[in-house]
This record gives sequence, structure tokens and C-alpha cells, in this order.
Amino acid sequence: GDSVTQMEGPVTLSEEAFLTINCTYTATGYPSLFWYVQYPGEGLQLLLKATKADDKGSNKGFEATYRKETTSFHLEKGSVQVSDSAVYFCALSVGGSQGNLIFGKGTKLSVKP
Amino acid sequence: EAGVAQSPRYKIIEKRQSVAFWCNPISGHATLYWYQQILGQGPKLLIQFQNNGVVDDSQLPKDRFSAERLKGVDSTLKIQPAKLEDSAVYLCASSQRTFQETQYFGPGTRLLVL
Repeated sequence: GDSVTQMEGPVTLSEEAFLTINCTYTATGYPSLFWYVQYPGEGLQLLLKATKADDKGSNKGFEATYRKETTSFHLEKGSVQVSDSAVYFCALSVGGSQGNLIFGKGTKLSVKP
Repeated sequence: EAGVAQSPRYKIIEKRQSVAFWCNPISGHATLYWYQQILGQGPKLLIQFQNNGVVDDSQLPKDRFSAERLKGVDSTLKIQPAKLEDSAVYLCASSQRTFQETQYFGPGTRLLVL
């Protein structure tokens, strides 16, 4: 069935370091791909999305490119800040009319000053 | 624009008791989702409503879980009787329509079953 696999955490980085969180997926059809972020004590928020192959989603300095050939949607940021400390979830939306999300297990990021 | 509202935020019950969670989606959003997020895992869909009809409840444990969305607005998720393994955060989300639409999540209800 459809699934998402993302790198296990926790990931600890120093401020201004480069971030990559790997995400690969298995899906039938042509899913949309998402990154959601959950800050401490808050609900899930959409960070970025891509709806077709080769699309690049971007927001708040984060980027991810929909790679159909490698079934990947890796999250990157050139220079992380302490305020980026959160749990990041990769997700896909199955095809058809349903649209429900299938999530990875999440990757906790801690950024130290 | 008000976000997705959920209540209560926290609930502690003993096993075999019943509990209910409430969700009020963003105004005008036709689709409402309930997810279960067990500690250390990603959210898993329990049930999806389109207006007041059920679109997908294939992963809802129907022997103990029930949900309704009267009048296509608010929704209630109930567990009766609760088991220890139901301890989780229950997330409600809504979207304007369905496929490829952004889902907006509420803050969740954290349930602890003792």
C-alpha cells in the first residue's frame, strides 16, 4: 500500500547549519507530497507542498523537490535557526477523490545556538 | 479567519470508560478528518467526512469508535469502551474540498487511558 518513509531522528544541528531531512514514498498513481511541521505545544502546520513531478515547494527558507524517478521529497534549508526546532512530517495525499494524508513517522529537529 | 477548534485539550480516563471529542472546522470547509497520532508516530486517518457523509472510515475500529458530523459542520468522535492502546493525540483537520487541498489541523486532544 501507499507509504512514506523519512529519516529517523532526532537531528541536532548548530544554528546556521545546512539541513536535509530525507523522505521517500511508495504510491500508486500520482500523489501530492507535503511537509508538515509541528512546533512544541502547537498543532500541525503545512510547511510546503508539491502536486506534480519536478515541482519545487518552498516556504520560510525551506525547499523540497518532487522527484518521481527516485520517489523522493527531501526537505532542505540552507541555514537553520533555533526557531526551526520542531518535528517535521513528510506526507502524501492518495489519488482519487478522498485526499486523506498518509504520514511518515516524523523527524525531530533540535537547533542549538 | 478562525482555525480548527478542538475540545477538550486533555483528557485522562480509566480503561473501559467512554470519552468524546469535539471538533469545529474552519467555516465553509466541506471536508473534515479525524486522525490518531500515537506517541512517536505520524498521524493515521480514522475517518473522513464530506459535508455530513462518510467518505472513508476503513481504519476506524468500529467496535469501539464512532463519529458523526451533524449538519455538515461540527463533529464528535467517541470511544466506548476505551482501551490502554487508545492513548494518543486525536487530531481534527478540515479542507475546502478534498484531493490536493491543504488540510488545516486543530491543536489536538491528548488522551491518556489508565
